[in-house]
Amino acid sequence: AQSVTQPDIHITVSEGASLELRCNYSYGATPYLFWYVQSPGQGLQLLLKYFSGDTLVQGIKGFEAEFKRSQSSFNLRKPSVHWSDAAEYFCAVGGGEGNMLTFGGGTRLMVKP
Amino acid sequence: ETGVTQSPTHLIKTRGQQVTLRCSSQSGHNTVSWYQQALGQGPQFIFQYYREEENGRGNFPPRFSGLQFPNYSSELNVNALELDDSALYLCASRVFSGTDTQYFGPGTRLTVL
Repeated sequence: AQSVTQPDIHITVSEGASLELRCNYSYGATPYLFWYVQSPGQGLQLLLKYFSGDTLVQGIKGFEAEFKRSQSSFNLRKPSVHWSDAAEYFCAVGGGEGNMLTFGGGTRLMVKP
Repeated sequence: ETGVTQSPTHLIKTRGQQVTLRCSSQSGHNTVSWYQQALGQGPQFIFQYYREEENGRGNFPPRFSGLQFPNYSSELNVNALELDDSALYLCASRVFSGTDTQYFGPGTRLTVL
């Protein structure tokens, strides 16, 4: 069965600092990997996705993520965080029954001024 | 904005009642999935519909059922509501293929008293 672990429940960074959110997955085949962001009371917005090819993928809002098969990881990064980046971030792996998404528990990002 | 809409925004029901939630897919999308997101957790896959038939289901009991209509709009029905059904219900639409991205609506917040 596929699974996703986001080890950090909460992360606080200062505005302008760099950010890395961790994601580890378990999946039997080549994974489809996603990062979504959710603002309070809102649905999920896709930041970026990895299906194949270049292991460093660029997304919206200046985010990027790197797929490392040997470490079963897909960490999200941003070089300089803005106050508007404060939100909940979810990593997900796709595939399996109905090509469903399996989500991690999320990481809540807080940004200090 | 993803083009996926859901109604109602909020709903309050009592234990034992039945509820119907609605989703309108993004134009051109023929597949819809439903997810349950309990407070403080990541979304969990309920089921998926393609061509008006269920073609994937997560670990949810039969009292969770759905419909997809020819115009690709969709309903999620939950019978015999339990307190633990209180959650944000998200629908996501996509084109049916192995690699297509799911686009999420804003969700319906269901509270069961």
